[in-house]
Amino acid sequence: GAGVSQSPRYKVAKRGQDVALRCDPISGHVSLFWYQQALGQGPEFLTYFQNEAQLDKSGLPSDRFFAERPEGSVSTLKIQRTQQEDSAVYLCASSLPGAHQETQYFGPGTRLLVL
Amino acid sequence: DQQVKQNSPSLSVQEGRISILNCDYTNSMFDYFLWYKKYPAEGPTFLISISSIKDKNEDGRFTVFLNKSAKHLSLHIVPSQPGDSAVYFCAASQTGANNLFFGTGTRLTVIP
Repeated sequence: GAGVSQSPRYKVAKRGQDVALRCDPISGHVSLFWYQQALGQGPEFLTYFQNEAQLDKSGLPSDRFFAERPEGSVSTLKIQRTQQEDSAVYLCASSLPGAHQETQYFGPGTRLLVL
Repeated sequence: DQQVKQNSPSLSVQEGRISILNCDYTNSMFDYFLWYKKYPAEGPTFLISISSIKDKNEDGRFTVFLNKSAKHLSLHIVPSQPGDSAVYFCAASQTGANNLFFGTGTRLTVIP
């Protein structure tokens, strides 16, 4: 079956531009996560959905970051008024719900470069 | 504050020898640990995990060891193969939490 897909794979934005990053999780996976991976760092948690409910957004770095999953499947991460420090790889992961967040399946990521 | 640390950014090993990747954590509430492998331009892929009720988990060439008192885990790959060359991330979670905490990764190079 298909894995997690993300689009676009690469995005170049001018500072101040708004961007939207899309994630298509594995079919049937109710849990969806967004992570930000800066250069040379590990992924850092941004936000978590269970179905369409955003249950945790504690990792979003500012109110310029907004995520949604209106129908409980596809999710969009929107960054408004992008800044250079937003440059990173944005990873989406999905999983079946369980006691532990084991086996999160990751997409290939969207590499965002803000000039 | 980095709760999961991988202090070796890189490791080179001869093909056929053992690779040992190390990871330390600070949060004693973590009770589940995972290793992910990442190739360039791909997302991390799950490799192996261990619950805090165990001290060892083995899957083929891969074994993870957990030392809870030292807050340390390690991944052993025996024998190492050139296809194992990748970045390896250690991650940790706790029951009831929603997210994984990742280390900064170790780049493993297996030399043919």
